[in-house]
Amino acid sequence: DSGVTQTPKHLITATGQRVTLRCSPRSGDLSVYWYQQSLDQGLQFLIQYYNGEERAKGNILERFSAQQFPDLHSELNLSSLELGDSALYFCASSPRTGAGNEQFFGPGTRLTVL
Amino acid sequence: DAKTTQPPSMDCAEGRAANLPCNHSTISGNEYVYWYRQIHSQGPQYIIHGLKNNETNEMASLIITEDRKSSTLILPHATLRDTAVYYCIVRGLMDNFNKFYFGSGTKLNVKP
Repeated sequence: DSGVTQTPKHLITATGQRVTLRCSPRSGDLSVYWYQQSLDQGLQFLIQYYNGEERAKGNILERFSAQQFPDLHSELNLSSLELGDSALYFCASSPRTGAGNEQFFGPGTRLTVL
Repeated sequence: DAKTTQPPSMDCAEGRAANLPCNHSTISGNEYVYWYRQIHSQGPQYIIHGLKNNETNEMASLIITEDRKSSTLILPHATLRDTAVYYCIVRGLMDNFNKFYFGSGTKLNVKP
């Protein structure tokens, strides 16, 4: 158990809908990262927040957005969902920002878009 | 970011050492080498990381060559539970590079 929690574990929805994925980082960790893992793309970095502010962006679509709240939990919002958005979404946290800090991953949310 | 090259799969007998190689020939001086593994569809699990020196923890050892162009992750006594995809990642210091590129990894099959 990494200490990172994600809800829900599974989510099934239809194309065109909007969903919100939630992540609670390990106690004391200020940095949160979101990743997408689909069958044909592997693990892709989406976005990072540090202490409430966006710090780095990866391959995140404009239909997706994220935020980190004052209590440090984070939410990833996915809108206008398409079949290709079906994937595992992982959240990770680390104590600080910077390359010397390992990231601890949550169990993931499996999103299925029908 | 420096890219990494790993063999797609490897086999290892249970109880023997598993040596997983990684090539990162374009690594720069301030980039760390990280290893993670992913068992089935679980969240990736941190194993170890290093900058220049060899590192050891309760899970594994990391051997980085002197020129830092390659590294080897060593699981000293592999068990069936070590069957997973192992990712070698190179990560820089600057915030713009404060993210991981996982690549395809090596699928380690530990056999009885």
